[in-house]
Amino acid sequence: DQQVKQNSPSLSVQEGRISILNCDYTNSMFDYFLWYKKYPAEGPTFLISISSIKDKNEDGRFTVFLNKSAKHLSLHIVPSQPGDSAVYFCAASAVNSGAGSYQLTFGKGTKLSVIP
Amino acid sequence: DTGVSQDPRHKITKRGQNVTFRCDPISEHNRLYWYRQTLGQGPEFLTYFQNEAQLEKSRLLSDRFSAERPKGSFSTLEIQRTEQGDSAMYLCASTDLNTEAFFGQGTRLTVV
Repeated sequence: DQQVKQNSPSLSVQEGRISILNCDYTNSMFDYFLWYKKYPAEGPTFLISISSIKDKNEDGRFTVFLNKSAKHLSLHIVPSQPGDSAVYFCAASAVNSGAGSYQLTFGKGTKLSVIP
Repeated sequence: DTGVSQDPRHKITKRGQNVTFRCDPISEHNRLYWYRQTLGQGPEFLTYFQNEAQLEKSRLLSDRFSAERPKGSFSTLEIQRTEQGDSAMYLCASTDLNTEAFFGQGTRLTVV
């Protein structure tokens, strides 16, 4: 049972355009969401996060939107750059929900290719 | 501090052998995690330490796996009697109370 789903294995975008990566979750106890970026042969690198009390968080070219009623979040990258080409993982945790768990549950990732 | 450090980066072992991996977290972080990632999947949680106490273990962590963090600093993950299905990237991450998890570069295990 996959609790965090990234239904698009890959995405190609032209340089300068917007990249939108989507993530759905099923566990209503999740209250903190994160996006990580991963290059081959390296560990995931933290990008941006959002708490369930917010619906938007912005950091430079990266914006994460959270729709709790739909159990959906998305990562927007504007403008996309060739260096953004990597695998992007959505992750969620239930740290403040009373479940007492600090583990992150990851999706399978979306491979973003930004074409120059 | 240069971040989370893992050693070795790569390990090739024969089936049935034991292997041990080391993780050095960011020095002020009291929480340490181990994850496993296989091809085409996201990282999967294995276990979590707060200081030296192992507080969570996944059902993925069979009795052939053991993790320790004896002094609340570095951690080791040992796999006994390795199987081909253990081939994966083993990732360590650390965090303090208010930051996101920072990952190391991982140890790539290949069981032949």
